[in-house]
Amino acid sequence: DVKVTQSSRYLVKRTGEKVFLECVQDMDHENMFWYRQDPGLGLRLIYFSYDVKMKEKGDIPEGYSVSREKKERFSLILESASTNQTSMYLCATNINTGELFFGEGSRLTVL
Amino acid sequence: SQQGEEDPQALSIQEGENATMNCSYKTSINNLQWYRQNSGRGLVHLILIRSNEREKHSGRLRVTLDTSKKSSSLLITASRAADTASYFCATDVTNAGKSTFGDGTTLTVKP
Repeated sequence: DVKVTQSSRYLVKRTGEKVFLECVQDMDHENMFWYRQDPGLGLRLIYFSYDVKMKEKGDIPEGYSVSREKKERFSLILESASTNQTSMYLCATNINTGELFFGEGSRLTVL
Repeated sequence: SQQGEEDPQALSIQEGENATMNCSYKTSINNLQWYRQNSGRGLVHLILIRSNEREKHSGRLRVTLDTSKKSSSLLITASRAADTASYFCATDVTNAGKSTFGDGTTLTVKP
């Protein structure tokens, strides 16, 4: 079974802090994705990566950056957290067949 | 931008009844996927249907796809209390694994 592990299930940060959300997958998949999920807005794609050191912007990249130094690890970075970034963050991975494998999510609260 | 929209937003049924959820989308797709999300958890893939397929079955799940109407439906037969969850459709237009999600249908199955 594919395992996608997100480093933190719950985080509380203060406005202006730098936040790192880590995601690790164990299935050697090329593609990795970061989504955020908010009530009434569904899942929105922040960034994705098709290969090591490669990244592409999704639909809502503003305020975020990513890093993919190793194939199995995809990190989401909030350079200066703001209250409107309070959300559930979901990491996912796949090969090009379309089926996504998700982690359990990281619920971030920015005070 | 939201590609898929689920209907209804919420559905409440008795155990043993069938549940039908619908998904409409806007542009041509390569495949459409359905996912389930239990409260506060990550999404779990249920079924994927390709644009050249019209119907797929998996256990108690039946998915149909009508590309002329740009719509899909998910039928859960003989529902159980454990089916209580949110259900999302996602569309892949690029066949490169990047999917766009709808807002979801919240299903409640009463014992």
